[in-house]
Amino acid sequence: GNSVTQMEGPVTLSEEAFLTINCTYTATGYPSLFWYVQYPGEGLQLLLKATKADDKGSNKGFEATYRKETTSFHLEKGSVQVSDSAVYFCALISNTGFQKLVFGTGTRLLVSP
Amino acid sequence: GAVVSQHPSWVICKSGTSVKIECRSLDFQATTMFWYRQFPKQSLMLMATSNEGSKATYEQGVEKDKFLINHASLTLSTLTVTSAHPEDSSFYICSAPTSGSGSNEQFFGPGTRLTVL
Repeated sequence: GNSVTQMEGPVTLSEEAFLTINCTYTATGYPSLFWYVQYPGEGLQLLLKATKADDKGSNKGFEATYRKETTSFHLEKGSVQVSDSAVYFCALISNTGFQKLVFGTGTRLLVSP
Repeated sequence: GAVVSQHPSWVICKSGTSVKIECRSLDFQATTMFWYRQFPKQSLMLMATSNEGSKATYEQGVEKDKFLINHASLTLSTLTVTSAHPEDSSFYICSAPTSGSGSNEQFFGPGTRLTVL
């Protein structure tokens, strides 16, 4: 079945550090890939997405590239801010069959001043 | 972007009572909505798919008689936790795709935190 694997957290960084959160997936067909962010006490917000191989999703300084050959969709940001502290979820929707989101376990990011 | 609301945002109830959570799509119609459950510091687990005008589809292991779902209109789905117990305490989140089940982007509600005493 479809699955998403994320690196375990928490990831602790100082402000302005470089961020990478790894995400790999297993899916049939050609899934669409997403990164969602969840701030404390809130629901999920879509951060970025990519719908086909080699697409790069970007938003608010975050980027992720859909790598079909390595089945990966790693999240990166060149310079994190304290306000980026949140939980980040990698997810996919398979383009075959009914479209249900499959989430990774989430990675908590803590950014200190 | 599309907006999904949930009500209430938090609720505390006594064991044995029932609690209804509403999920509304505010500026679009949603023939399909999804209900998730999230335990502290864990990922979202899909509970069921709510379908307007028909029965909900439940994921394996989810008791349909305990978690009643009604998709009454194109903008409203409700989740009722019946005879709630402390182990039902959780964060419940709904989502809706903007173009029925064929869309690959979903918008999430802000969640409802349920605490059962």
